[in-house]
Parts: sequence; structure tokens; C-alpha cells
Amino acid sequence: DGGITQSPKYLFRKEGQNVTLSCEQNLNHDAMYWYRQDPGQGLRLIYYSQIVNDFQKGDIAEGYSVSREKKESFPLTVTSAQKNPTAFYLCASSERQNTEAFFGQGTRLTVV
Amino acid sequence: EDKVVQSPLSLVVHEGDTVTLNCSYEVTNFRSLLWYKQEKKAPTFLFMLTSSGIEKKSGRLSSILDKKELFSILNITATQTGDSAIYLCAAWSAGNKLVFGAGTILRVKS
Repeated sequence: DGGITQSPKYLFRKEGQNVTLSCEQNLNHDAMYWYRQDPGQGLRLIYYSQIVNDFQKGDIAEGYSVSREKKESFPLTVTSAQKNPTAFYLCASSERQNTEAFFGQGTRLTVV
Repeated sequence: EDKVVQSPLSLVVHEGDTVTLNCSYEVTNFRSLLWYKQEKKAPTFLFMLTSSGIEKKSGRLSSILDKKELFSILNITATQTGDSAIYLCAAWSAGNKLVFGAGTILRVKS
């Protein structure tokens, strides 16, 4: 079955540690996205990538980094510079603009 | 700056009621607008709207876009408890960027 897989579902980290969230898709989509969701704030765009080896900052990129070395993979690193990293993180992909975007099941990150 | 604004932020209704959710947008080189339903984790796709005045319909849900007023509405008739969810509106902007609003939390009471 085609889809987007995010792992892990739940992640706990100590403050000051970097952590990497995985996102893999087998839909052969060119574009991939990372969103952060906090209660009452909808989805805020962190980074997005339209093709391999290229990505752009979204609205809240500070404290995050990404890579796009393969078409099917778009990992997100939450660095110690991110002041409030506890949140629900969603990865999405789309074939191109003006089409439906598909989502993974999300990773809930808790920093203690 | 690209912006998508949804209202109301939350809504409580009784089963059988009809609800209207609102979405306004200001994005660079607007292409289309999407509606999603989020119940637990992954948002699920409802509609994509590209043309003004053409209603998209699926069962009790319908949606329409007004490109002149930069506005869309999502209607749900004869609501059921299973309609309880967060409803998200998103707009495609320049550069293949998908911008979401804050969402409307809908709770349907039995």
C-alpha cells in the first residue's frame, strides 16, 4: 500500500538534545512538507521540499533542520535551539501543486 | 505574508443541526483551496476548490469558493456525532507552498 510513514509515533527527549523525526513516502511524490501542530494553532509550515537536494524554509523554520537526499525521505531534526519543541509533528507529500496533499500519522514529541 | 484565517475557532452543536465553517485567505498567486477533516492524527482530504461559484458536494458535506472575496465555506447538514473533528482549510500559494489555517474544532452533541 502506498502512503507516508512517520516514526516514531511518540518521542521523549531531554531538553538540550537534538532529535530526528523520520518521514518516508512510497507515493513517488516530488514535494514533501513538515508541519507543526499546537492546540488551537492549526498546522504551521516548518520546511518544504519540491525536489531532491532542495528545500525551503516555511514560516517557523528556526530551530529546525531538514535534508532531502532521496525522493522518498525527508527527515526533520529538532535542534536544541528550538525553544519550545514539544508539539505534534506532521509530514505530508504531494505529487505537485494544486493537488491533494497526503499526511502521515504524525509524531508527538515531548521534551522534558 | 501568506495567511489563511478560519472561523469560528470552535463550535458546539446538537445532532441534526446544520453548521457553516468559514475560511478566508490571502496568499501569493492563489491556485486552489483544500478542506481537510482531522479526527485523531492524520488529516483526511475532503475537497479541493479551484473555481469560483462551483459547489463541491459529498454526502452531507458541501463547499464553495468565492475567488473575488477570497473566501470559502464548508457546510455540514444533519450533523452526527461522527462529524466531531477539527476542520482544516489550506491554500496553495506560490512556490508549491501549502498554507493552513488554525482550524475549527467542531463538537456535535447527541
